[in-house]
Amino acid sequence: QKEVEQNSGPLSVPEGAIASLNCTYSDRGSQSFFWYRQYSGKSPELIMFIYSNGDKEDGRFTAQLNKASQYVSLLIRDSQPSDSATYLCAALNYGGATNKLIFGTGTLLAVQP
Amino acid sequence: GAVVSQHPSWVICKSGTSVKIECRSLDFQATTMFWYRQFPKQSLMLMATSNEGSKATYEQGVEKDKFLINHASLTLSTLTVTSAHPEDSSFYICSAIRQGEGETQYFGPGTRLLVL
Repeated sequence: QKEVEQNSGPLSVPEGAIASLNCTYSDRGSQSFFWYRQYSGKSPELIMFIYSNGDKEDGRFTAQLNKASQYVSLLIRDSQPSDSATYLCAALNYGGATNKLIFGTGTLLAVQP
Repeated sequence: GAVVSQHPSWVICKSGTSVKIECRSLDFQATTMFWYRQFPKQSLMLMATSNEGSKATYEQGVEKDKFLINHASLTLSTLTVTSAHPEDSSFYICSAIRQGEGETQYFGPGTRLLVL
């Protein structure tokens, strides 16, 4: 069973702090990883993806990938109350006719004003 | 950006009826579309993968005769929940991959189904 694991939280951080969201995956064959944000009652929206070891930055967001440890993380700098949402980590699973995303259960982030 | 729409956004129906949900890519052609289901406080569960002009590929445990998928064009896929029952009440979300853009999935806004 290919799995993606996340701490369900809630992760509570004060406004302006750095929020660190973590994710581990079981399938060593996974090469690409995606972070989505999902507000309550809404569908997921893409934040960023990463496929190379190391860091990838996009604005206030930095994704980190360590394939040896099978670990992906998302850092949110200068956290804002509007960042409060569930963050979903997904690993791209290769196989069959079409590749598909395996989602974690998500981490609920609460940014306190 | 890549915009994906779904219709309807909300549907309430009686047990035993069928419900059709449309997923459209508005500003791009989608090589592949996916259908997910999400129950409260749970993650997205992939139901099926849909490619234009071919039969959908269903995930294990998903009844293909109950959840009919038609991918008629590169911009439209439909999911029909046949003979819906209360346990089918859920949040149904589609996503689409834009041609030439690797594996990034763009999600529609979702359809909330309540079966009475």
